[in-house]
Amino acid sequence: GAVVSQHPSRVICKSGTSVKIECRSLDFQATTMFWYRQFPKKSLMLMATSNEGSKATYEQGVEKDKFLINHASLTLSTLTVTSAHPEDSSFYICSARTSGRAFYNEQFFGPGTRLTVL
Amino acid sequence: AQTVTQSQPEMSVQEAETVTLSCTYDTSESDYYLFWYKQPPSRQMILVIRQEAYKQQNATENRFSVNFQKAAKSFSLKISDSQLGDAAMYFCAYRSAGSRGNKLVFGAGTILRVKS
Repeated sequence: GAVVSQHPSRVICKSGTSVKIECRSLDFQATTMFWYRQFPKKSLMLMATSNEGSKATYEQGVEKDKFLINHASLTLSTLTVTSAHPEDSSFYICSARTSGRAFYNEQFFGPGTRLTVL
Repeated sequence: AQTVTQSQPEMSVQEAETVTLSCTYDTSESDYYLFWYKQPPSRQMILVIRQEAYKQQNATENRFSVNFQKAAKSFSLKISDSQLGDAAMYFCAYRSAGSRGNKLVFGAGTILRVKS
């Protein structure tokens, strides 16, 4: 149980285009989802927290208009990188949290998406 | 704000030996959770072990155990009988308990190399 998927696993796009990354909780309802960015051999940097049906809360320094997050259902959150530039190239990881007691409010991580902007 | 510090950027261990990864944290809270996550080359984050701050007993999961020193705000991970599959980046993480317990605060990570 507690599986989180991400799609796509890898994406290459041209500068100026927008890219959407999906994060799904497959066998549980995620009341909260998190989006992280990770550079090689570095730690995870939290970008934003989203709760189903409400606006995402962005961390300081993260551009809301650049990184659009939608958490439309209890099993799906999307991150859209708008007008992508080469500096947006990174590894993006989502995680999902349930309020169910069985999982001690754990965060379960997706496998990540490698974004390359040319 | 809480901070998590991992002072060892890289560690090496011989296969079958024991290695300890260090983690210290700073918080003014009394109730919280601490975690060790493993990130292998696939980059999938895997929960290794969890510790509730109100529990004095150190958590163990098979070959993995922690030394939780609440007063010293220290939370080290011991890996016994190291295996090649243990090679990964390890992150220590902190999370507040209760309604504030939303975000994970990660340390910088420690790369563990296992030599055969």
